[in-house]
Amino acid sequence: EAGVAQSPRYKIIEKRQSVAFWCNPISGHATLYWYQQILGQGPKLLIQFQNNGVVDDSQLPKDRFSAERLKGVDSTLKIQPAKLEDSAVYLCASSLGTGAGEKLFFGSGTQLSVL
Amino acid sequence: AQKVTQAQTEISVVEKEDVTLDCVYETRDTTYYLFWYKQPPSGELVFLIRRNSFDEQNEISGRYSWNFQKSTSSFNFTITASQVVDSAVYFCALSNFGNEKLTFGTGTRLTIIP
Repeated sequence: EAGVAQSPRYKIIEKRQSVAFWCNPISGHATLYWYQQILGQGPKLLIQFQNNGVVDDSQLPKDRFSAERLKGVDSTLKIQPAKLEDSAVYLCASSLGTGAGEKLFFGSGTQLSVL
Repeated sequence: AQKVTQAQTEISVVEKEDVTLDCVYETRDTTYYLFWYKQPPSGELVFLIRRNSFDEQNEISGRYSWNFQKSTSSFNFTITASQVVDSAVYFCALSNFGNEKLTFGTGTRLTIIP
């Protein structure tokens, strides 16, 4: 079974530039998550989709971050414009359903460096 | 509010030693789930175990074991006879029915020295 696919693996940009990340979840998984992991910290949820609807985006900085999940499958996360503090690993995860006890499957992440 | 504390930032042990990773959690809900995830150098978090708040039975899976104690709000993880492949960052996490979002601890970096 294929895992969660993410690209690119690494990205280096200058502040105020734009960047986009792509995620393809495990086939059949209804729920997709984007997490931000700053060095030395645990992952923090940015946004959660169930199919193509947003379940939780309370921690997404909406003035600069946006995400979409067209057709309830692939998803893109965009940052425009980037700030230095956005340097982090962006992890995509998926799960069969939604709920407190769901087991999440993670991709390898995109490491973003903002200079 | 919910919170997960992993007080051990880094641990190093010699191969074949046993090691315990500590996790203490806070939640006001009576119904919740606790998790452990492993993050190897490749970056992806790998699910290890899930326990719900009604099941305090401790679990052993091969070289791994988990000790869940509601009285002390702890969910500790022990690796017996550690191996170099166990080197990774380990995260404890919590979610509850009031706030289904996973809250992660800050992680413990475990290094197994050959």
